Amino acid sequence: EAGVAQSPRYKIIEKRQSVAFWCNPISGHATLYWYQQILGQGPKLLIQFQNNGVVDDSQLPKDRFSAERLKGVDSTLKIQPAKLEDSAVYLCASSLEAAKQETQYFGPGTRLLVL
Amino acid sequence: AQSVAQPEDQVNVAEGNPLTVKCTYSVSGNPYLFWYVQYPNRGLQFLLKYITGDNLVKGSYGFEAEFNKSQTSFHLKKPSALVSDSALYFCAVILPIGGKLIFGQGTTLQVKP
Repeated sequence: EAGVAQSPRYKIIEKRQSVAFWCNPISGHATLYWYQQILGQGPKLLIQFQNNGVVDDSQLPKDRFSAERLKGVDSTLKIQPAKLEDSAVYLCASSLEAAKQETQYFGPGTRLLVL
Repeated sequence: AQSVAQPEDQVNVAEGNPLTVKCTYSVSGNPYLFWYVQYPNRGLQFLLKYITGDNLVKGSYGFEAEFNKSQTSFHLKKPSALVSDSALYFCAVILPIGGKLIFGQGTTLQVKP
């Protein structure tokens, strides 16, 4: 069974530029999550989708971050414009069904450096 | 507030010795608890989880974890450490509504030959 796929693996941009990350979850997983992991910290949830609907985006900085999962499968996370403090690893995870507290499986992450 | 604490930034053990990585939690209701491992430049890999039942949970790569409700702890253990176990370990709790994972800050495990 293929795992969670993410691209790109690394990205370097200058502040005020825009960037987009892509995630393809495990086949059949209804729930998709985007986490931000700053160096030295545990991952923090940015947004959670159930199929193509948003369940929780309370921690998403909506003035600059946006995410979509239009067809309920793959998802994109965008930052526009980027700030220095956005430098982090962005992790995508998926699970069968959030309501049942299923195990979340993570992709390899995208490491973003904002200069 | 729901939270997870890993009191040790780093744990050092010699290869072949037993290891323990500590985790305590604060969450209302019955917790679902997880351990994940992260190798350099890799995503998080699931090790094991506690839902209910036996307080000793067995997981991948010979790891196990002991749930203690009275001490609100979920310590990760392995009887005999390997150098290849050296990595960053995260304890996490899943909230009963919505499935949001709350992570601890992580503990770096260093196993020396």
